[in-house]
Amino acid sequence: GQNIDQPTEMTATEGAIVQINCTYQTSGFNGLFWYQQHAGEAPTFLSYNVLDGLEEKGRFSSFLSRSKGYSYLLLKELQMKDSASYLCAVRVLSNDYKLSFGAGTTVTVRA
Amino acid sequence: DAGITQSPRHKVTETGTPVTLRCHQTENHRYMYWYRQDPGHGLRLIHYSYGVKDTDKGEVSDGYSVSRSKTEDFLLTLESATSSQTSVYFCAISGGERETQYFGPGTRLLVL
Repeated sequence: GQNIDQPTEMTATEGAIVQINCTYQTSGFNGLFWYQQHAGEAPTFLSYNVLDGLEEKGRFSSFLSRSKGYSYLLLKELQMKDSASYLCAVRVLSNDYKLSFGAGTTVTVRA
Repeated sequence: DAGITQSPRHKVTETGTPVTLRCHQTENHRYMYWYRQDPGHGLRLIHYSYGVKDTDKGEVSDGYSVSRSKTEDFLLTLESATSSQTSVYFCAISGGERETQYFGPGTRLLVL
């Protein structure tokens, strides 16, 4: 599989900004996905990057640098409900659209 | 939300018994996937399907088999459950322009 690394845990204060980094090593890169997963629930899709640059979607933004094998998810104006695990996943060129997931980053938002 | 359901949602079983988990979709998507999620490992692919009767192995397929006789249903079977198969199992389907994967609610399996 792909080698995907992300920090295990991060803590931030309500209203602040947190950046979750993800690095990967792969050949035939075909997209990077971010998912949010609240405790005891299923992952839900947040963002998709396949070209270099920043994709903004409300309070969440995702950045990709293919040459560096690097992405980040930026969470702005943190709210308590943003406390969750954030999963980075990489897709490679194939006919089956499989994803390889990192172990996830648990973000805790404190009041 | 993508129309994906999983059954059962919770199951407790004993070592050595067979177990079948069901994933059902109403989206008519071609690709379906079974993952397990364990602390420290993230989501790991068990098996996947790219059409009716077309399946292939993922990275942790030992001890598992799958079947897909209809587009909407993808079954995961543990032939003889072991304690190491205690986990949360997620089904996913991929669809849309980017073939984004969407997940079912999960099944919590405890093997005693």
